[in-house]
Amino acid sequence: NAGVTQTPKFQVLKTGQSMTLQCAQDMNHNSMYWYRQDPGMGLRLIYYSASEGTTDKGEVPNGYNVSRLNKREFSLRLESAAPSQTSVYFCASSEAGGVGSPLHFGNGTRLTVT
Amino acid sequence: GENVEQHPSTLSVQEGDSAVIKCTYSDSASNYFPWYKQELGKGPQLIIDIRSNVGEKKDQRIAVTLNKTAKHFSLHITETQPEDSAVYFCAAATTGTASKLTFGTGTRLQVTL
Repeated sequence: NAGVTQTPKFQVLKTGQSMTLQCAQDMNHNSMYWYRQDPGMGLRLIYYSASEGTTDKGEVPNGYNVSRLNKREFSLRLESAAPSQTSVYFCASSEAGGVGSPLHFGNGTRLTVT
Repeated sequence: GENVEQHPSTLSVQEGDSAVIKCTYSDSASNYFPWYKQELGKGPQLIIDIRSNVGEKKDQRIAVTLNKTAKHFSLHITETQPEDSAVYFCAAATTGTASKLTFGTGTRLQVTL
């Protein structure tokens, strides 16, 4: 049982380049999330998808777009990368979107923008 | 919105001692408080959670306490072991239709032999 799978694990981009971070879960969860983790700042929510077909902004959505491709997959796109987007990105899923549904995280994508 | 503060940022204890990590939150409407453990190179993993209708919850060597009046909650680890070394995050959830957790800034726990 793979859980939440993120690709790639590492990526280096130049300022202005674009890329898509991929996330897939095999737990038949309804809700999926993208977080970024920066030193001293914990995890901050970028976007989430409460259910297939819906997406909503989180705390730090600027510079990002998302696509809930189907129930399993939720991608995060950086259209024009900036050094401020250097971070570790985590995808997560939960069975339901209500309060109290535990999040299951992937192992992260470490992104460096030069 | 919700703001979660976590202390200390680093904590070193000797094997067998207890460790306590404390968090405060600002939104009195929050009613779900999970704790996550993150090992090096991995994503966070839920270790215990508590809801606002409960004051304390235990799971073997781990316990969480909640004081809604003071708006703070704590993680207690007893008889610490080297494998407890990790970064721990507290979080609080706003009510609503999605688990939009607000995380604390993390505590790096080191258990020394």
